[in-house]
Amino acid sequence: QKEVEQNSGPLSVPEGAIASLNCTYSDRGSQSFFWYRQYSGKSPELIMFIYSNGDKEDGRFTAQLNKASQYVSLLIRDSQPSDSATYLCAVKGPQGGSEKLVFGKGMKLTVNP
Amino acid sequence: GAVVSQHPSRVICKSGTSVKIECRSLDFQATTMFWYRQFPKQSLMLMATSNEGSKATYEQGVEKDKFLINHASLTLSTLTVTSAHPEDSSFYICSAVAGGSVKDEQYFGPGTRLTVT
Repeated sequence: QKEVEQNSGPLSVPEGAIASLNCTYSDRGSQSFFWYRQYSGKSPELIMFIYSNGDKEDGRFTAQLNKASQYVSLLIRDSQPSDSATYLCAVKGPQGGSEKLVFGKGMKLTVNP
Repeated sequence: GAVVSQHPSRVICKSGTSVKIECRSLDFQATTMFWYRQFPKQSLMLMATSNEGSKATYEQGVEKDKFLINHASLTLSTLTVTSAHPEDSSFYICSAVAGGSVKDEQYFGPGTRLTVT
């Protein structure tokens, strides 16, 4: 059974700090990796995706993928109180767009002003 | 990113009645749509995968006769909760994928909060 593990948290960081969120996955055939942000009472919002080993940067967000270690992470630089949310790691296998995502349980991040 | 809408955003119904929730992809054609349920402070739970023109694939433990899914077109999927009971009260969220590539992202609708009294 495909599994995605995230540290249960919660994670609390001061405003302006770097928040580091980590995720491991069990299926070595996984091809696509996504980070979603979910505010309380709202639906998930896609913030980053990565397919290749290495780093991918988008503004204050950097996704890092290491397929050999089956590890994906999300770094949030200059954290803001508005970044306070639950972050979901999701993984998709090689079968294509119709394949379901496997989600981690989420990590709750609080950024303190 | 692509836009997915849901209607209604919030619904209250009486026990024993049926409720239909619509999910629409507004600016793209969705080959596949997914339906999730989320209880307070819990993780997303996938209920079913819906492909246009074919029967939905339900996850283990999800009653297909209770949660009817219809994917009538490339932009519309509906979830009908039949004979709703208070334990069906939850946050129902759909998502949609534009294509058949493994790189295609999945976009979520805003969700529908169902309360069964």
